[in-house]
Amino acid sequence: GESVGLHLPTLSVQEGDNSIINCAYSNSASDYFIWYKQESGKGPQFIIDIRSNMDKRQGQRVTVLLNKTVKHLSLQIAATQPGDSAVYFCAENSGGYNKLIFGAGTRLAVHP
Amino acid sequence: GAVVSQHPSWVICKSGTSVKIECRSLDFQATTMFWYRQFPKQSLMLMATSNEGSKATYEQGVEKDKFLINHASLTLSTLTVTSAHPEDSSFYICSAVRGRGQVQAFFGQGTRLTVV
Repeated sequence: GESVGLHLPTLSVQEGDNSIINCAYSNSASDYFIWYKQESGKGPQFIIDIRSNMDKRQGQRVTVLLNKTVKHLSLQIAATQPGDSAVYFCAENSGGYNKLIFGAGTRLAVHP
Repeated sequence: GAVVSQHPSWVICKSGTSVKIECRSLDFQATTMFWYRQFPKQSLMLMATSNEGSKATYEQGVEKDKFLINHASLTLSTLTVTSAHPEDSSFYICSAVRGRGQVQAFFGQGTRLTVV
């Protein structure tokens, strides 16, 4: 079936740098996308979401960009901190079904 | 607000026994809850959708007789792993959607199941 995919398992950045985590999705009918952060042994934590009628949304230190033309989603984290170290998942909602399909995840490692 | 609690956080059981995991929405009513399992270093795989007052909808490849789901109230869904085997050892996570037409899901803290 259709799925959301990530290609890079690990992203290493220096503290204070900006991080960009990418996600490719395949279901063109998806109308809602979410980024989650998951720390070891815990459930996913909501970071930011975006609907398909938008191409950019900003939160506190985070920005999500949506490119529907190429079915690409990205999460930008400004001034990355050690506390940002975790696995990040993108998830898509395939319009009307209220269930989320998760991507493979990217581990973000922040080095001092 | 929007707190989802799972219990237990971890459980160890003997092979062949059954284990029940609870998922509660503490401060809102959840018409829909979802159950996921996650193997180490992998993503969350949706197992089933649990709707209050009706039968759960299972994803392809998930055995409904092995993973029994009950959503008896708007704040509680349970997942029972029946006749557990070591290959069922995993991290089980639930999520709850607040209200109808809403899509933002709130996740529990997960349950680590180890079958020995």
